[in-house]
This record gives sequence, C-alpha cells and structure tokens, in this order.
Amino acid sequence: GAVVSQHPSRVICKSGTSVKIECRSLDFQATTMFWYRQFPKQSLMLMATSNEGSKATYEQGVEKDKFLINHASLTLSTLTVTSAHPEDSSFYICSATAGPPLTQYFGPGTRLTVL
Amino acid sequence: AQSVTQLDSHVSVSEGTPVLLRCNYSSSYSPSLFWYVQHPNKGLQLLLKYTSAATLVKGINGFEAEFKKSETSFHLTKPSAHMSDAAEYFCVVRAYSGGGADGLTFGKGTHLIIQP
Repeated sequence: GAVVSQHPSRVICKSGTSVKIECRSLDFQATTMFWYRQFPKQSLMLMATSNEGSKATYEQGVEKDKFLINHASLTLSTLTVTSAHPEDSSFYICSATAGPPLTQYFGPGTRLTVL
Repeated sequence: AQSVTQLDSHVSVSEGTPVLLRCNYSSSYSPSLFWYVQHPNKGLQLLLKYTSAATLVKGINGFEAEFKKSETSFHLTKPSAHMSDAAEYFCVVRAYSGGGADGLTFGKGTHLIIQP
C-alpha cells in the first residue's frame, strides 16, 4: 500500500516553455502532498505544501508564480514549472501523507532538464 | 524550527562488517524522525521511523536506529553490511506543530560505500 506515482519520469524542454508534473496517490487519499527539489548530489529541499482544495503554502525563496501547484483532488497534485530556465533543471519529487502516524510516501521523482 | 545534521558525508565499510550512520537533530517540538534510503535512479524508500513509541526502532533490511533524547541523536545501524546496502541515506525530521501534516527537513545525506 501507500504507493505514489509521478508522471513524467523524465522531461526535456526548451527554455521559456512550461512543464507540468503530476503526482498521484494510487491506493490512498492524501489531503496533503509535498513537493521537493533535489539538485545533483544534494539533499531534498521542501518547496511547497499542497493542500486539497486550497492554495499551496510555499517555502521561503520559492517563487509561487513560477512553480504553480494545483491540488484538485485527494489523489492528484500537479506542479507546473512556468517559463522554465536552465537553472530550473533538477529532480522534482513529490510525497503524499498517510497515517496515523503521519508518514510521507515519496514518488519516484521527475528529472527535468531545461535546454 | 528543526534541523538535521548528518555527521558523515561518506562512510565506507567492508561487506559483513557493522554499519553506523550518524545523525543529530534539533527541534522545537516533539519530533518524528525517519531514515530514508535512495538507490541510484530510484525513489526514496522509508527504512524506519520513530514517532514517540519505543526508542529502539527496527526497520527493513536489518537496519535499526535508536532515539536518544539526551544526545539529540538518531543513529542508524546494521550489524552486517551487504553489497546491496550501497546507497545514499537521509536522516529526516518532521516537527509536529499541531497543525497536521508538516513538510520534512532532510539531512544532507550520507553516501554508504560497501567494499567487497
């Protein structure tokens, strides 16, 4: 149980375009999902908390207009990287919370490369 | 606020010998602590978690960790390393602030190398 999927697993796009990444909880409902970013050989950094039916909460330093998050249902959250630039190239990982006790289950990640 | 310090960026052990990955934390609230493993090109996998129950926590693949409040530590151990244990290990803290689900704070990771 508690499986989280992400789509796509890899995406390459041109600078200036937008990319949407989906995160789904496959066998449970998650009122809260999280988006993390991991640069090469570095740790995960929390970007934002996504709550179903409400606006996402962004961590300090994360541009909410650049990283659009939509959590339209209890099993789906999307992250849209708008006007992507090469410095946005990274590994984006989502997680969904199940419990009690509250435990985060991670998706396999999406590797974004912006040319 | 909470933070996690993984004391070693790399640990190298021989196959069959014990593993010790060190982690210290700080938290304003009663923390939940986790160890995750990340194999190359694979997603994060939960090894074990501490959530204020028993201080000695047993996880998957023979790993265990002991929560020591007096030392603010949550070190990960395994009696005998296996080649398949080679991976990146993250110590993680979630501070329960009473508001429900909270984002996790990750340590910088420890790269475990297993020598044949």
